Amino acid sequence: NAGVMQNPRHLVRRRGQEARLRCSPMKGHSHVYWYRQLPEEGLKFMVYLQKENIIDESGMPKERFSAEFPKEGPSILRIQQVVRGDSAAYFCASSPLTAGSGGTYEQYFGPGTRLTVT
Amino acid sequence: AQRVTQPEKLLSVFKGAPVELKCNYSYSGSPELFWYVQYSRQRLQLLLRHISRESIKGFTADLNKGETSFHLKKPFAQEEDSAMYYCAFLIQGAQKLVFGQGTRLTINP
Repeated sequence: NAGVMQNPRHLVRRRGQEARLRCSPMKGHSHVYWYRQLPEEGLKFMVYLQKENIIDESGMPKERFSAEFPKEGPSILRIQQVVRGDSAAYFCASSPLTAGSGGTYEQYFGPGTRLTVT
Repeated sequence: AQRVTQPEKLLSVFKGAPVELKCNYSYSGSPELFWYVQYSRQRLQLLLRHISRESIKGFTADLNKGETSFHLKKPFAQEEDSAMYYCAFLIQGAQKLVFGQGTRLTINP
């Protein structure tokens, strides 16, 4: 199992451009989470998705950010009209089940995408 | 407020010395707590969780509900323990982890 894959690993965008970050969960995992890590801070939850459904987007900024996890293909975190403050490391995690479902719960993390906005 | 506090950004100890990474949490419910570790050039990975009460790589962590703490301890540090350590808890009824800022642990030879 290759683990959670994220691409690109590094992304440079000019202000006003769009950024698309991709996440392929581990095989057999149907739950995907996105976290953002600003410089000198911990990871902050953004959104939780299952296939074709957004379950919890309470951590997503209200504007310019969107996420999807289609039936086929990777999960995508999309940032429109990027600003310098969007510069951060974006981590994706996946799990095979939900917390509280009776099994041992763990989120497996990808290597992250480092977004730099110039 | 739901928060994890790791008061030390940086911690440096000598090889063979005991190490303790502090973690305090603020949460009104009954949390499930974790320690994650990130070694150099590697991804974040789970080190241990409080419900399993296990020892991984010599590390242990005890949940103290009275002090709302979940400090990570190891009696004899090794050079390979140098890494970034994050304390986190899972919000009950939700699927999101709340992370602390992290502590960079350096073990000096």
